[in-house]
Amino acid sequence: QSVLTQPPSVSGTPGQWVTISCSGSSSNIGSNTANWYQQFPGTAPKLLISNNNQRPSGVPDRFSGSKSGTSASLAISGLQSEDEADYYCAARDESLHGPVFGGGTKLTVL
Amino acid sequence: EVQLVESGGGLVKPGGSLRLSCVASGFTFKNAWLSWVRQAPGKGLEWVGRIRSTRDGVPPDYAAPVKGRFTISRDDSKSTLFLLMDNLKTEDTAVYYCAWDDKTIFDHWGQGALVTVSS
Repeated sequence: QSVLTQPPSVSGTPGQWVTISCSGSSSNIGSNTANWYQQFPGTAPKLLISNNNQRPSGVPDRFSGSKSGTSASLAISGLQSEDEADYYCAARDESLHGPVFGGGTKLTVL
Repeated sequence: EVQLVESGGGLVKPGGSLRLSCVASGFTFKNAWLSWVRQAPGKGLEWVGRIRSTRDGVPPDYAAPVKGRFTISRDDSKSTLFLLMDNLKTEDTAVYYCAWDDKTIFDHWGQGALVTVSS
């Protein structure tokens, strides 16, 4: 059972806009920023969004993040087949004294 | 270019020990915070622990499932991070990643090292 809650899967068609939610609590997302990671099968995760809505260099602006209260969201616009991957949210948890991850969301591009 | 390369993974029996290494390059290692993150087969990501820079003078932090069994250390002269795992359990089976930890933002990751705990 992960500390942060994500839907196990989401899907969309090419060109569509999809969102992935991440629900936490006052001890993690409610008091710290959220980060998002993208992972393709058999490879290491890659930082996608930091500090709720900051894109590292090289990340397309189709990816955006937001936070409200104790929840965060990742939005992907203009969905492409190469976006098919697992996505994880993360945040520092004050009560656990370290970062916590969501269980991950598998994005399928139909 | 930042690179993190893990090594030392393998098969170990329950109760056994294993030490992973992570050699870093492309950034000022001695100033960096570094974490270990693991991923059990078919499962999600789990933070294992973190070591701050030597100058911070703070002991490493560990996640509850590994506290007292795992030890994180570093050799700044060799830009190398270590994870010593003792009293291994079957539930420790996972791919272990080292990551550059920028205050809980994992900017860069290694390719991972597979640890299998089985009799």
